[in-house]
Amino acid sequence: DAKTTQPTSMDCAEGRAANLPCNHSTISGNEYVYWYRQIHSQGPQYIIHGLKNNETNEMASLIITEDRKSSTLILPHATLRDTAVYYCIVPWADTGGFKTIFGAGTRLFVKA
Amino acid sequence: GAGVSQSPSNKVTEKGKDVELRCDPISGHTALYWYRQSLGQGLEFLIYFQGNSAPDKSGLPSDRFSAERTGGSVSTLTIQRTQQEDSAVYLCASSLRGQGALGGYTFGSGTRLTVV
Repeated sequence: DAKTTQPTSMDCAEGRAANLPCNHSTISGNEYVYWYRQIHSQGPQYIIHGLKNNETNEMASLIITEDRKSSTLILPHATLRDTAVYYCIVPWADTGGFKTIFGAGTRLFVKA
Repeated sequence: GAGVSQSPSNKVTEKGKDVELRCDPISGHTALYWYRQSLGQGLEFLIYFQGNSAPDKSGLPSDRFSAERTGGSVSTLTIQRTQQEDSAVYLCASSLRGQGALGGYTFGSGTRLTVV
């Protein structure tokens, strides 16, 4: 089972910030939070990941609460091309490697 | 190569036939993952490899499914006696050693399998 819960869908106006929440209340101290997105008919694309501190890259910002039980992915100026399913994931250490289970994600609709 | 390469990109097969799906990961990526995605559904984990070993095969849907990886590089997912419910997009991803502080997976474009 995925270790995260996300809203099923969200809308955002083009040019506005899209804030995508994720709950991961059972996260362990050394587990990272990852975000991916999947645009229609494409494979998932890595966006960003973090442990404790907030992170920012050219695609997005990741805000992690102090207790690490939730996080928010922020797309600062959403465009129509950001319409996609966004997955929040917490991989966990498994025999010989890490196991990553994708949940249902949040379907983000960016509207003109 | 620059990315994860999967072949074929599309495969139509008759029910009962065997199929082989190939994944060529990014050079140097020791971890390799297979997922499948049915139409309108999320990603279903199938199997992952660390090097040539598959520590976890629990996601394989039935004994008709098998996968191998040779030389720590190319992986092949084989489906025997295909059924219509096997129709899906099969996605492969690779990463450096697994996933923790090392960044995310890189996914291929997938193989769209249609069983008729």
